[in-house]
Amino acid sequence: DIVLTQSPESLAVSLGERATINCKSTQSLLNSSQKKHSLAWFQQKPGQPPKVLIYWASFRASGVPDRFSGSGSGTDFTLTISSLQVEDVAVYYCQQYNRSRTFGQGTRVEIK
Amino acid sequence: QVQLVQSGGEVKKPGDSLKVSCKTSGYTFIDYYIHWVRHAPGQGLECIGWVFPKNGDTDWTQKFQGRVTMTRDTSISTVYMELTSLTSDDTAVYYCARENWYYDHWGQGTPVTVSS
Repeated sequence: DIVLTQSPESLAVSLGERATINCKSTQSLLNSSQKKHSLAWFQQKPGQPPKVLIYWASFRASGVPDRFSGSGSGTDFTLTISSLQVEDVAVYYCQQYNRSRTFGQGTRVEIK
Repeated sequence: QVQLVQSGGEVKKPGDSLKVSCKTSGYTFIDYYIHWVRHAPGQGLECIGWVFPKNGDTDWTQKFQGRVTMTRDTSISTVYMELTSLTSDDTAVYYCARENWYYDHWGQGTPVTVSS
């Protein structure tokens, strides 16, 4: 099974500052037929279902503010929030869909 | 617009079975896999399995082997997940999600409490 490890487990960032979350996979997530990496990022707020932010590692989902961006390749991926807003306080998960489906353990983002 | 609407919350006793429904609309039901994911208190998101409405194929995470059944009713664009032999460890919010490679739409969640 593919295991995803997120870091850090939590972080506190000042409003307007950058937040960076990492996701490391035990196997490459390159989908050779699609020529893209099978990694998505989700945001989950209390009492709500997860919401997709990024798919194929770097494609922003419809309606997602452009302060959210995804990058990475192979086994190492990053979600960046370029300028943290109050409404970004949430838990963020990476998920691979290259072989079956697994989630990272989550990263809690708070305001400093 | 795409919608996934789940059945309401449940309270169960250890040993009981659970059946959650997920009614879909706004797209061609048979063309997309539906996955089930749960979120236990204080834990992360956990994949349970999936059903392909076109032919009824299913698969599940090894952890749920022998306890989970996923079915669909194409006449009402609804999928079901049944989980048997419940324990307190099954207390969680259960979600259905549509797969478009990644999960692009989610149900609102069904809270389930297992307690004696």
